[in-house]
Amino acid sequence: SQQGEEDPQALSIQEGENATMNCSYKTSINNLQWYRQNSGRGLVHLILIRSNEREKHSGRLRVTLDTSKKSSSLLITASRAADTASYFCATDRSGGSNYKLTFGKGTLLTVNP
Amino acid sequence: GAGVSQSPSNKVTEKGKDVELRCDPISGHTALYWYRQSLGQGLEFLIYFQGNSAPDKSGLPSDRFSAERTGGSVSTLTIQRTQQEDSAVYLCASRGLASTGELFFGEGSRLTVL
Repeated sequence: SQQGEEDPQALSIQEGENATMNCSYKTSINNLQWYRQNSGRGLVHLILIRSNEREKHSGRLRVTLDTSKKSSSLLITASRAADTASYFCATDRSGGSNYKLTFGKGTLLTVNP
Repeated sequence: GAGVSQSPSNKVTEKGKDVELRCDPISGHTALYWYRQSLGQGLEFLIYFQGNSAPDKSGLPSDRFSAERTGGSVSTLTIQRTQQEDSAVYLCASRGLASTGELFFGEGSRLTVL
């Protein structure tokens, strides 16, 4: 079953604008990760936030985590055409011993030049 | 190698044929995962290896699917008697012992069953 569900399914913005994507999940987690996938390529890890963290930054990326609401958001500031890709959240469930990540269906972000 | 390598990158086969997909993880990575991604969908977990053993193969969709890993390195995913619903991109990922949890993915093998 899908642990993470991204919202919106698709997002189209102009270059320079900010893009916000949301992820909701169902069970307790150890950490939540965001990945990016360019069309026809593999996934690339962007950022990991632990369950005891509330916010994390990496360059133009800002991730928040609200464990009480079981939700996370990914903000990309000052977007560029090269940011066009699908973005997935992935959760590592608490108590799991195999470090299996469960992925959502992703948000397709299109940044128009 | 520098990254996770998968082959073939594209495979077109006829229904009923067997296919083998190969994954060469990052050198030294003990954990290896296979995921499947259907068109426009998220990733569906198939199987996880720690070394040569597979403690979690819960995601394999049917007994037509099997996977092995030898020498704690290369893994092969085999699909027997392929069906059209097997058409998807099969992604392999690996993770090192010292990892915080990040998976490193290959570019995937796109399987089309006619």
